[in-house]
Amino acid sequence: EAQVTQNPRYLITVTGKKLTVTCSQNMNHEYMSWYRQDPGLGLRQIYYSMNVEATDKGDVPEGYKVSRKEKRNFPLILESPSPNQTSLYFCASSLGAGYNEKLFFGSGTQLSVL
Amino acid sequence: QKEVEQNSGPLSVPEGAIASLNCTYSDRGSQSFFWYRQYSGKSPELIMSIYSNGDKEDGRFTAQLNKASQYVSLLIRDSQPSDSATYLCAVNGGSGGYQKVTFGTGTKLQVIP
Repeated sequence: EAQVTQNPRYLITVTGKKLTVTCSQNMNHEYMSWYRQDPGLGLRQIYYSMNVEATDKGDVPEGYKVSRKEKRNFPLILESPSPNQTSLYFCASSLGAGYNEKLFFGSGTQLSVL
Repeated sequence: QKEVEQNSGPLSVPEGAIASLNCTYSDRGSQSFFWYRQYSGKSPELIMSIYSNGDKEDGRFTAQLNKASQYVSLLIRDSQPSDSATYLCAVNGGSGGYQKVTFGTGTKLQVIP
């Protein structure tokens, strides 16, 4: 089954404790992206990747890191999480970054930073 | 001014009625327009895309685009309770290129049985 898999689904952590949210897709997609979703602010892009070893900042990259060492994986790293990073996170992928590309979303990760 | 604006709702319509969801965008160079549906606690899923001015129909859904007015809408005919969800308007291909997909905050639709 074609899918984008995110883990974990729920995560509670404390300020400053490094964490990684994993994202993997099995569709051989070139483009992958991370979003956070907050009430009243909608989905905001954190980072995106056009292909292996090609990543770039989105609208809200502060406090986040990503890597794309393999085509299928695009982990999101919070090296020192803070409470304002409490949010619902979505990973998404598409075949490329063309005008007609449909985004496939993972099931989301609800992160709480205490 | 937000890049993509939607009325947050909730928009309440009776079952069987037409639901009309609206979206405006600020980047005049935007090329591609999408409607995603998001059920509570779930991830967004694409229901419609539109790239040129006019109407595009797919089953009970019709997307309408007016680039001159920077306006895109989604009509849902014969609304069903299962259509109750938040509808996200998304835009790309503007100054940020196709790698930047910008979402509105979504309109919550409630279909009353």
